[in-house]
Amino acid sequence: AQTVTQSQPEMSVQEAETVTLSCTYDTSESDYYLFWYKQPPSRQMILVIRQEAYKQQNATENRFSVNFQKAAKSFSLKISDSQLGDAAMYFCAFSSNSGAGSYQLTFGKGTKLSVIP
Amino acid sequence: ETGVTQTPRHLVMGMTNKKSLKCEQHLGHNAMYWYKQSAKKPLELMFVYNFKEQTENNSVPSRFSPECPNSSHLFLHLHTLQPEDSALYLCASSREGRVTEAFFGQGTRLTVV
Repeated sequence: AQTVTQSQPEMSVQEAETVTLSCTYDTSESDYYLFWYKQPPSRQMILVIRQEAYKQQNATENRFSVNFQKAAKSFSLKISDSQLGDAAMYFCAFSSNSGAGSYQLTFGKGTKLSVIP
Repeated sequence: ETGVTQTPRHLVMGMTNKKSLKCEQHLGHNAMYWYKQSAKKPLELMFVYNFKEQTENNSVPSRFSPECPNSSHLFLHLHTLQPEDSALYLCASSREGRVTEAFFGQGTRLTVV
């Protein structure tokens, strides 16, 4: 079974500063995807960034980037130039073939990010 | 707005009631999912439908009954729930069962009294 661990229940960052959220996962699969989702108070889960395991290059999306360390099974999210709107719960997620022909998303417990003005 | 709509947004029901949650997606996706989000716990996958066929049922109690009449609509029928079933229920969809990107609705906040 796959597991996703987010060791930081809460983090805070000063506006305009940089913050890194940690995520580790455990799997025996070689073909999988990793995601960071953001859940603001509106509750809608929004995809922030995605990484394919077969790609060595770290994914980037504007101010968001990841540090994907496949051997270490680590997938951290870096938010640069933090903005007030970045305040939310951030979930790391993993997707691979569940063996039943479908891919399932497995989520971590989340990290609550606060942005200090 | 992600193209996945859930209704109602909030629901309070007694333990003897019967209610249904509805999810609709306008993205042309073929796979739909129900997740349960409880406080301080990871999101729990409940059911997966792929091309209208249920492909996953993660040991969910029978008081939760899913229905997928077509690829655009997904229901979760609720009956004789327990207070511990109070949670945020999220619906998601993806292009197919291979989740390379999932889109979520805003959820239904369910309170069982």
